Amino acid sequence: KAGVTQTPRYLIKTRGQQVTLSCSPISGHRSVSWYQQTPGQGLQFLFEYFSETQRNKGNFPGRFSGRQFSNSRSEMNVSTLELGDSALYLCASSRQESTDTQYFGPGTRLTVL
Amino acid sequence: EDQVTQSPEALRLQEGESSSLNCSYTVSGLRGLFWYRQDPGKGPEFLFTLYSAGEEKEKERLKATLTKKESFLHITAPKPEDSATYLCAVLDSNYQLIWGAGTKLIIKP
Repeated sequence: KAGVTQTPRYLIKTRGQQVTLSCSPISGHRSVSWYQQTPGQGLQFLFEYFSETQRNKGNFPGRFSGRQFSNSRSEMNVSTLELGDSALYLCASSRQESTDTQYFGPGTRLTVL
Repeated sequence: EDQVTQSPEALRLQEGESSSLNCSYTVSGLRGLFWYRQDPGKGPEFLFTLYSAGEEKEKERLKATLTKKESFLHITAPKPEDSATYLCAVLDSNYQLIWGAGTKLIIKP
């Protein structure tokens, strides 16, 4: 069974630009969560989508948004990029229940110059 | 406030030297505790899920245990390839997943 895939793997942007990251969950998984990971803050929860609806949201500004499609694939968007948005963005999928184990993709390394 | 604390922050061991990593938590109503392993620049890799106090799970050189206040990840006779950051996460009664900061484990040959 294929794992969680994320594209692109690496991205370099400049301040003020916007970026869209993509995540394809494990086949049969309906829940997708997004995280930001930085050396200083560790893993920070962004949001979770289930059946195309946002089920949970972390404490991030409105510049961070996401969506999920009917095939469970998900995208997250960051507008008006800031230097502090440089991080590893991780996507995790799980079957459906909130108690189900999350399986992570390899991440997208975003660098904002 | 719900909190998950991992200790130590970093641990250096000689190959074959067994030890334990700790994950202590204060959450309202534990629904599950998860252990992950993360290599630099990669996504976390799932290791174990524990749901109730007294539960234990094993996989190769790793064994995870759970009490009402903490979980231990025991590493027996580790090898250099066990070097990684080990992350602990707790699912609370509101189905919020709270992550610890991780323990960086280095195994020297």
